[in-house]
Amino acid sequence: DQQVKQNSPSLSVQEGRISILNCDYTNSMFDYFLWYKKYPAEGPTFLISISSIKDKNEDGRFTVFLNKSAKHLSLHIVPSQPGDSAVYFCAASPSNTGKLIFGQGTTLQVKP
Amino acid sequence: DVKVTQSSRYLVKRTGEKVFLECVQDMDHENMFWYRQDPGLGLRLIYFSYDVKMKEKGDIPEGYSVSREKKERFSLILESASTNQTSMYLCASRTGGGTYEQYFGPGTRLTVT
Repeated sequence: DQQVKQNSPSLSVQEGRISILNCDYTNSMFDYFLWYKKYPAEGPTFLISISSIKDKNEDGRFTVFLNKSAKHLSLHIVPSQPGDSAVYFCAASPSNTGKLIFGQGTTLQVKP
Repeated sequence: DVKVTQSSRYLVKRTGEKVFLECVQDMDHENMFWYRQDPGLGLRLIYFSYDVKMKEKGDIPEGYSVSREKKERFSLILESASTNQTSMYLCASRTGGGTYEQYFGPGTRLTVT
């Protein structure tokens, strides 16, 4: 039973355009959401997060949007750069557990 | 900077062997985690530890055990390796309290033949 789903296995965008990565979840007890980026042969690195009490968080080129009623979050990257090409994982944390539940990942390719 | 290191980047073992994967973090983090990453499945939690000598099962603990004798070190043990345990294994740590961010090691690519 996949509680966090990334339904698009891959995404390809042109350099300079917007990349939008999507994530859906089923558990209303999730209170914190994170995005991680992973290059091949490296561990995931933290990118950006959002608390369930907010609907938007911005950090430079990266913005995460949370729609609690739809149980949906998205990561926007503007403008996209070739160095952004990686696998992106969304993760959710159930209240007071310290655990993270990850989605399947989306491979982003940014073409020069 | 938080540093999480894993003892091996690549490992090849035979079916039935006992395998030890070691993880060390240098930030005095209370919590440590072991995940495996498989294509199309994302990261799945195997075991985690809130403190020294404490451990809890994650979502897929079967075939694995763990050991945490010191705060900075968390070991994953495959008692009798099988081919379906061929995977990328990732260790992570986080501080206790209200933070959620986990810091990951570089991973160990384990192949069981």
